[in-house]
Amino acid sequence: ETGVTQSPTHLIKTRGQQVTLRCSSQSGHNTVSWYQQALGQGPQFIFQYYREEENGRGNFPPRFSGLQFPNYSSELNVNALELDDSALYLCASSLAGSVYGYTFGSGTRLTVV
Amino acid sequence: GNSVTQMEGPVTLSEEAFLTINCTYTATGYPSLFWYVQYPGEGLQLLLKATKADDKGSNKGFEATYRKETTSFHLEKGSVQVSDSAVYFCAVPGNNDMRFGAGTRLTVKP
Repeated sequence: ETGVTQSPTHLIKTRGQQVTLRCSSQSGHNTVSWYQQALGQGPQFIFQYYREEENGRGNFPPRFSGLQFPNYSSELNVNALELDDSALYLCASSLAGSVYGYTFGSGTRLTVV
Repeated sequence: GNSVTQMEGPVTLSEEAFLTINCTYTATGYPSLFWYVQYPGEGLQLLLKATKADDKGSNKGFEATYRKETTSFHLEKGSVQVSDSAVYFCAVPGNNDMRFGAGTRLTVKP
């Protein structure tokens, strides 16, 4: 079975720009969650998508938005980038929510300059 | 809501030493508990889990026992290797998310 794939692996953007990060979920998983991990910290929950609908959101502003597609892949969009948005963005897929644990991708390292 | 607190370290050990990383939880009921590991430059990998009180999760020589009396889920390994150097995260499910501790960086020296 394929795991979770994220693209791109690294990205450099300028403050004020917009960025789209992509994630392909593990085969058979219908739930995708996005996390932001700043350097030296634990992952912080951004939001979760289940069957193409947002199914929970952490303490992130509306300029963080997402989509889930019929094949359960997902996008994370961030508008009006700020320097503090520099982080590792992790996508995780699971089956029927978080009870059974997540499968994480390797992440996208975003640097905002 | 549910949360975990773990010792932040960093922890530095010599090869073949005994490892303990402490994790305590606060939760409604008895949710599953998890340990994840993050190797340099990579995402998180599920290391082990326990789905109910008194369960012991184990994988790759690591163990953790779900103890409701002490609300703990400490990670242990009897003999660490250089390849175990990584950051370890304790985690508990929330309403729609997984909630992680701050992480403990382990460095194992030859």
